[in-house]
Amino acid sequence: GAVVSQHPSWVICKSGTSVKIECRSLDFQATTMFWYRQFPKQSLMLMATSNEGSKATYEQGVEKDKFLINHASLTLSTLTVTSAHPEDSSFYICSARYQETQYFGPGTRLLVL
Amino acid sequence: GNSVTQMEGPVTLSEEAFLTINCTYTATGYPSLFWYVQYPGEGLQLLLKATKADDKGSNKGFEATYRKETTSFHLEKGSVQVSDSAVYFCVLSESHAGGTSYGKLTFGQGTILTVHP
Repeated sequence: GAVVSQHPSWVICKSGTSVKIECRSLDFQATTMFWYRQFPKQSLMLMATSNEGSKATYEQGVEKDKFLINHASLTLSTLTVTSAHPEDSSFYICSARYQETQYFGPGTRLLVL
Repeated sequence: GNSVTQMEGPVTLSEEAFLTINCTYTATGYPSLFWYVQYPGEGLQLLLKATKADDKGSNKGFEATYRKETTSFHLEKGSVQVSDSAVYFCVLSESHAGGTSYGKLTFGQGTILTVHP
């Protein structure tokens, strides 16, 4: 139990386009999901907290208009990177909380050309 | 605020060697402590956890004990395998419901472990 999936696992896009990443809790409901960004050989950086049915809470320094988060149901949160640029290339990971433990998705590798 | 400090890596060991990765923390509330493992190109997997002082988490031969007196949660394994090569993260979660940091994780910087045959 407590499986979190992400789709797609990797994506390559042109600069200026928007990319949507999905995070799903497969066997439990999650009122709260978290989105992280990880640079090579570094730890995870929390970007935002996604709350079902309400606005996401963004960490300081994260542009909310750049990284749109929608948590439309208890099993799905989406992160849309709008007008992506090469500096947005990174590994994006989501997590969902279940019974006092956070479970992570497998990550989405984004490459913006 | 909360913080987690992990032993600097990378750590390189031979197969069957003993592993210790040190982790210490500072926290204002009543944290739960976790070790997560990240294999190359993948997300994080929960390795083990402890939710209160003196709890011992264990999984796949790995162990860690929540030591409140030394604010530590060191990861140990008696005999490592090549398949244990990965990045290990010590993580703290504020577990007190109602706190401003409830649910948020504080990560250590990660320790790269490489095990050679």
